[in-house]
Amino acid sequence: NAGVMQNPRHLVRRRGQEARLRCSPMKGHSHVYWYRQLPEEGLKFMVYLQKENIIDESGMPKERFSAEFPKEGPSILRIQQVVRGDSAAYFCASSPQSFNEKLFFGSGTQLSVL
Amino acid sequence: KNEVEQSPQNLTAQEGEFITINCSYSVGISALHWLQQHPGGGIVSLFMLSSGKKKHGRLIATINIQEKHSSLHITASHPRDSAVYICAVPNSGGGADGLTFGKGTHLIIQP
Repeated sequence: NAGVMQNPRHLVRRRGQEARLRCSPMKGHSHVYWYRQLPEEGLKFMVYLQKENIIDESGMPKERFSAEFPKEGPSILRIQQVVRGDSAAYFCASSPQSFNEKLFFGSGTQLSVL
Repeated sequence: KNEVEQSPQNLTAQEGEFITINCSYSVGISALHWLQQHPGGGIVSLFMLSSGKKKHGRLIATINIQEKHSSLHITASHPRDSAVYICAVPNSGGGADGLTFGKGTHLIIQP
């Protein structure tokens, strides 16, 4: 049973470009969470999704950021018109049934904005 | 919104020592997570607990719901235990939302 898969592992973008980060949860997991870790800072919650639904996006900036978890395929975190401040490690985690279960983390995507 | 405080922020110890990391939170919760982040960045979930105590190998996690406090203990510490240990609780205590994380404890075990 493969773990949570994130790709790409590293992503380099120039200011103004779009970044698309993908997360495939563990098989059978229908809950996905995205977290961001800025350099020298702790993890921050961004968004919590279930299949086809956004449950809580209170940690996600209102502009330029969006997330989806379609019925088929991976969850996508999209950042439009990236700025240098978006440079961070973005982690995805999944859980089987509900938020109160053990989380399984992906290896993260390191986004660097030039 | 829940707030999480971890202590100590940094800890250096000798191999074999007993390690304790503490976590306090502000809002009553349904469960608390302990995570381990290795120098390479990968994050592993060590424990999720809602009461009492859990043990896995040399790691022990305890929680006191009334005092809003949890501890992570490492017995017979080893250099491979060197990592950042992070405590996390639900944002609003128990609702269907994400986690609030502590700043982490940077642990170094010297041989």
